[in-house]
Amino acid sequence: DGGITQSPKYLFRKEGQNVTLSCEQNLNHDAMYWYRQDPGQGLRLIYYSQIVNDFQKGDIAEGYSVSREKKESFPLTVTSAQKNPTAFYLCASSIVGRLYGYTFGSGTRLTVV
Amino acid sequence: EDQVTQSPEALRLQEGESSSLNCSYTVSGLRGLFWYRQDPGKGPEFLFTLYSAGEEKEKERLKATLTKKESFLHITAPKPEDSATYLCAVRAMNYGGSQGNLIFGKGTKLSVKP
Repeated sequence: DGGITQSPKYLFRKEGQNVTLSCEQNLNHDAMYWYRQDPGQGLRLIYYSQIVNDFQKGDIAEGYSVSREKKESFPLTVTSAQKNPTAFYLCASSIVGRLYGYTFGSGTRLTVV
Repeated sequence: EDQVTQSPEALRLQEGESSSLNCSYTVSGLRGLFWYRQDPGKGPEFLFTLYSAGEEKEKERLKATLTKKESFLHITAPKPEDSATYLCAVRAMNYGGSQGNLIFGKGTKLSVKP
């Protein structure tokens, strides 16, 4: 079955450490997205990409970086510059050029220890 | 500014007690309104897409409707397994890229007691 796989499910980061969250999809979708979800805040867009080797900043990109070297993969790095990284991170994908919604992964919960 | 507001923030119902969740939006050029269900610790699961005022979609005990300013998610005779957070999102013409990215509301947390 096609879908989006996020790994790991739980991730712990020490102060000053960079960590990378994985997102892989086999839906043949062109567009991929990273969202951050905090209690009471809703989903906030971090980065998105509509084509390989190109990506755009969302509303809260500071302290994060991404790459899009393959259509299927859109990893998110949470850098040490992100001062409050504890959150639930969601990856999504969609078809470009059609008015469809997003398909979401199961999420990664990142905690600073 | 494009904005999506969901109400109430939380809703507690008894099993069988029907009710509605509201999603109001102010966007320039609506290109679609989406409802998702999210269980704790999981990613949102797609429920419905609505594109134009007057449109309605149904799935089991859920029915979504759309006007020019808001959408309602009606829940008829809910069961405990309907307990979840329900998210509303809109695709606005000018928000990010040529197709417009989704703008999400903060969600309504629904609890259905047996």
